[in-house]
Amino acid sequence: EAQVTQNPRYLITVTGKKLTVTCSQNMNHEYMSWYRQDPGLGLRQIYYSMNVEVTDKGDVPEGYKVSRKEKRNFPLILESPSPNQTSLYFCASSLLGVARDTQYFGPGTRLTVL
Amino acid sequence: QKEVEQNSGPLSVPEGAIASLNCTYSDRGSQSFFWYRQYSGKSPELIMSIYSNGDKEDGRFTAQLNKASQYVSLLIRDSQPSDSATYLCAVKGGTSYGKLTFGQGTILTVHP
Repeated sequence: EAQVTQNPRYLITVTGKKLTVTCSQNMNHEYMSWYRQDPGLGLRQIYYSMNVEVTDKGDVPEGYKVSRKEKRNFPLILESPSPNQTSLYFCASSLLGVARDTQYFGPGTRLTVL
Repeated sequence: QKEVEQNSGPLSVPEGAIASLNCTYSDRGSQSFFWYRQYSGKSPELIMSIYSNGDKEDGRFTAQLNKASQYVSLLIRDSQPSDSATYLCAVKGGTSYGKLTFGQGTILTVHP
């Protein structure tokens, strides 16, 4: 089944404890992206990747890191999480980009930073 | 001014009516426009995309784009309770290959 998977789905952590949210797709897509969703703010793009080893900032990259060492994986790293990073996170992928291609979203990761 | 702004909801319509959702954007160079639907507790899914001025119809959904006025809209005809969801407008700007900006979303409720 073609899908985007994220792990973990739920995570409660404490301020300053490094964490990684994994994202993997099995559709051989070139493009992957991370978003966070907060009430009243919609989806905001954190980082995106057009291809392996090519990443770029979205609208809210502060406090986050990403890497794209393999086409199928695009982990989101929070090296020192803070309470304002409590949010619902979505990973998405598309064949070539966002100009004409459909983006497929993962199921979401709900992160709480205490 | 927000880059992408949607009409504030929530929007409530009776079953069978037309639901109209609006979105404005600030980047005149924007090229691609999308409507996503998100059911409560679920991830967004693409329902319509539009790239040129005018109307694009797909079943009960019609997307309308007016680049001169910088707005894009979504009409849902014969609204059904199953259409109750949050609708997200997304715009790809003109200067970045991979950046996609979403509006804040409009909650639509279709009541029987």
